[in-house]
Amino acid sequence: DVVMTQSPLSLPVTLGQPASISCRSSQSLVHSDGNTYLNWFQQRPGQSPRRLIYKISNRGSGVPDRFSGSGSGTDFTLRISRVEAEDVGVYYCMQATQWPRAFGQGTKVEIK
Amino acid sequence: EVQLVESGGGSVPPGGSLRLSCGASGFTFRNSWMTWVRQAPGRGLELVSIINQDGSDKYYVDSVRGRFTISRDNAKNSLYLQMNSLRAEDTAVYYCAKDSWGPEYWGQGTLVTVSS
Repeated sequence: DVVMTQSPLSLPVTLGQPASISCRSSQSLVHSDGNTYLNWFQQRPGQSPRRLIYKISNRGSGVPDRFSGSGSGTDFTLRISRVEAEDVGVYYCMQATQWPRAFGQGTKVEIK
Repeated sequence: EVQLVESGGGSVPPGGSLRLSCGASGFTFRNSWMTWVRQAPGRGLELVSIINQDGSDKYYVDSVRGRFTISRDNAKNSLYLQMNSLRAEDTAVYYCAKDSWGPEYWGQGTLVTVSS
């Protein structure tokens, strides 16, 4: 099974400053169809998760452009260009290339 | 607007059963893969099961295989999760999600508590 490892697990950030979360998979996430099914999710306190990014770098519907995803193979990154107060929450990466799907442990983003 | 509304959660003793339901609207349900994702209190996310458009393809995480059954009724735009032989470690909020190579839209979740 694929194991997803995020770092850091806790990320204190300053409003208006950039933030970055790393996600590594134990195996390549390149599917036989050539796509890499790596997703990023945001879960604000008390809310359901929301998909931010799919296939490494594609923003979901209504996702602000301050969120961006990058990477390839086994190493991926979620970046927030300028953190806003509403970005507080837990962020998860998830691979959908093979079953069982796997989430990372989550990274808690909080304001300093 | 996509809407997913879960129901059927509650408190049940170990060994008991529950059937979760998820009503879908705002998209073409019969054309969509659907998933159940759970989150234990204070913990991370776990994708429990997934079903394809006509119900002919289903996958389960090892911890629930043989105990949980995913199903759907495309005529009713509804997704189900039959949970048998429940254990304390199945205690979680269960989310229904429309899947597109990952959960694309999520419901608000329904809490399942397994306790004596």
